[in-house]
Amino acid sequence: QKEVEQNSGPLSVPEGAIASLNCTYSDRGSQSFFWYRQYSGKSPELIMFIYSNGDKEDGRFTAQLNKASQYVSLLIRDSQPSDSATYLCAVNVGWGGSEKLVFGKGTKLTVNP
Amino acid sequence: NAGVTQTPKFQVLKTGQSMTLQCAQDMNHNSMYWYRQDPGMGLRLIYYSASEGTTDKGEVPNGYNVSRLNKREFSLRLESAAPSQTSVYFCASLDWGIVGELFFGEGSRLTVL
Repeated sequence: QKEVEQNSGPLSVPEGAIASLNCTYSDRGSQSFFWYRQYSGKSPELIMFIYSNGDKEDGRFTAQLNKASQYVSLLIRDSQPSDSATYLCAVNVGWGGSEKLVFGKGTKLTVNP
Repeated sequence: NAGVTQTPKFQVLKTGQSMTLQCAQDMNHNSMYWYRQDPGMGLRLIYYSASEGTTDKGEVPNGYNVSRLNKREFSLRLESAAPSQTSVYFCASLDWGIVGELFFGEGSRLTVL
């Protein structure tokens, strides 16, 4: 089982809709969870991070974490065409100076005007 | 601010040739990483260095070697390139102190013929 799994895409939503991106992870010891956005031909950029169970909101973005279910999600409200990108879930694995970030395969989101 | 600088940005090799990808960061981060990205595969960790003087294998280390030359520089070497190593390579450094955010270079696109 891959350490980080994302829901298969691609995902297509109309402008103004809510886009929901999901991710599961296998390491119960993981404490830090990240969502990166990657535009085509560009480097990934961090858009959200979450450490505690529950919801974390930042503008139109909400990250949700459920450690018991080993599940993290990203909701994008009022989706815009500029949100069209690949979204990568990343999870911190390891400890004691050997921490590393493991990424899922990514979900490609297209927001249609 | 340079951030993370990778060279070269593009390279074409023939099977069996060797090359080194260079990476330098100017943010005084302890941890540095090399990922490769293939279509539909997300980011896969090749090697990482949690601190100066240490290196560890990631998910796909075969065919690669690394050197953490000093705190700033982390190089990736392909001793005998194979077509399966055709990919986009990203170097990243990590700030664990505040968020745990990965800062990426612009990527190096390598083609092995």
